[in-house]
Amino acid sequence: KQEVTQIPAALSVPEGENLVLNCSFTDSAIYNLQWFRQDPGKGLTSLLLIQSSQREQTSGRLNASLDKSSGRSTLYIAASQPGDSATYLCAVGPFGNEKLTFGTGTRLTIIP
Amino acid sequence: NAGVTQTPKFRVLKTGQSMTLLCAQDMNHEYMYWYRQDPGMGLRLIHYSVGEGTTAKGEVPDGYNVSRLKKQNFLLGLESAAPSQTSVYFCASSHAGTSSHTGELFFGEGSRLTVL
Repeated sequence: KQEVTQIPAALSVPEGENLVLNCSFTDSAIYNLQWFRQDPGKGLTSLLLIQSSQREQTSGRLNASLDKSSGRSTLYIAASQPGDSATYLCAVGPFGNEKLTFGTGTRLTIIP
Repeated sequence: NAGVTQTPKFRVLKTGQSMTLLCAQDMNHEYMYWYRQDPGMGLRLIHYSVGEGTTAKGEVPDGYNVSRLKKQNFLLGLESAAPSQTSVYFCASSHAGTSSHTGELFFGEGSRLTVL
C-alpha cells in the first residue's frame, strides 16, 4: 500500500527566504504527483501536477521536482511572502484521481 | 465563479440520525469525489463518480451512500450517523483527463460534521 510522508509537519520561515517542502512515497510506480495548498477552514487548491515522465514543473515562484527512483518530491518556494502561509499537501498515485494517496501536509508559516 | 459548492458547511448530529451533504459543480466536470479529512491523516476517498448515474467505492465507503442523479450534483448520505463519522468532508470534481494527463482536481470548501 502506498504511503506518503511529509516532514516536517510544521515549518516557520522569515519572509523573503527561499524554502523547500518535502514529500516522500513508498511505491515508485506512480503516474503523477500533485501539490496542493490548503488555507485554514478552506478546501484544497491545486498548485502543480507532475506527470511521471516529467522531472519538474514550475508556476511563478513555485517549482516542484520529482525523483521517482528515490520516492521523493520537493516543492521549492522562492522569496517567501506572508500570503504563502498555508498547509501544503502532496498526493501521488497511478492514473486516475480516484487512486490518489495524500500526505498529511506541512503547515507553513511565513513570519513578516 | 462558483466552482464547487458544498452545503451545509456545518452540521451537528446525534448518533443514529441521518443526513445528506450536497455537492454542486458548475464546470461540467465528468468526475466527482467525496473525501474525508481527519487530524493526522491524509484525505481519504469515500466514494466517487465517473459520470451521471454511476458511483463507485473509495477507500473508506462503509456507513456512507452516494447518488449522482444529475451531472452537476453529487450527494453523500449518512443513514445512521456514528461518532466515528465526525470529520470534515470535502467534495471535489475534475475532468476525465486524457490518456496522458490526469484532470486537475477542484475542491469545495468543506463541510464540518460533528456526531454526538
